[in-house]
Amino acid sequence: DTAVSQTPKYLVTQMGNDKSIKCEQNLGHDTMYWYKQDSKKFLKIMFSYNNKELIINETVPNRFSPKSPDKAHLNLHINSLELGDSAVYFCASSHRGGEIEAFFGQGTRLTVV
Amino acid sequence: AQSVTQPDIHITVSEGASLELRCNYSYGATPYLFWYVQSPGQGLQLLLKYFSGDTLVQGIKGFEAEFKRSQSSFNLRKPSVHWSDAAEYFCAVGALDTDKLIFGTGTRLQVFP
Repeated sequence: DTAVSQTPKYLVTQMGNDKSIKCEQNLGHDTMYWYKQDSKKFLKIMFSYNNKELIINETVPNRFSPKSPDKAHLNLHINSLELGDSAVYFCASSHRGGEIEAFFGQGTRLTVV
Repeated sequence: AQSVTQPDIHITVSEGASLELRCNYSYGATPYLFWYVQSPGQGLQLLLKYFSGDTLVQGIKGFEAEFKRSQSSFNLRKPSVHWSDAAEYFCAVGALDTDKLIFGTGTRLQVFP
């Protein structure tokens, strides 16, 4: 009965590869997010989607492409992976509006070698 | 622009001691404030939140936080720390007109027996 689940939990891949991270929420929320946590634990939003519509794109390189097939899913596809993409990526969901708390997944630790 | 500052990068306390983690925010209107905790290898769990009303809010695991508008602060407190409280703590601010959370840089809490 996990609320926000993302797979895989760990991902090790070589530079130049393309990879995807999947996220699903069963909370009935209408907004989903991707956050990136760097090696210094700093968390920054990358994208948000509301009812499958892109709301926020925080100047993320276009190698990163989120895809939302329905409002319960928000996948993150990354092309041509670079060393600097190594980080922990968190999916989250909430009802729309900044006053509503977000529920986070367990994170995907991406290591690019 | 919204911002969150957590002045303490790392705090060490003895088990049973009291705890206060500092958080200062910058936002032009009334902010929505959150504290999240991240245990090693885990996602973020909401401890408590402030939207309006009573400025002293109670959260899970015995934590509380006090909103002080005059000081632009939202410090997290716990009267007696347990070893299981060792984790990374993040303060975050949201707003009515946005779909994102702005996080502080986090405070790592270490608890000694």
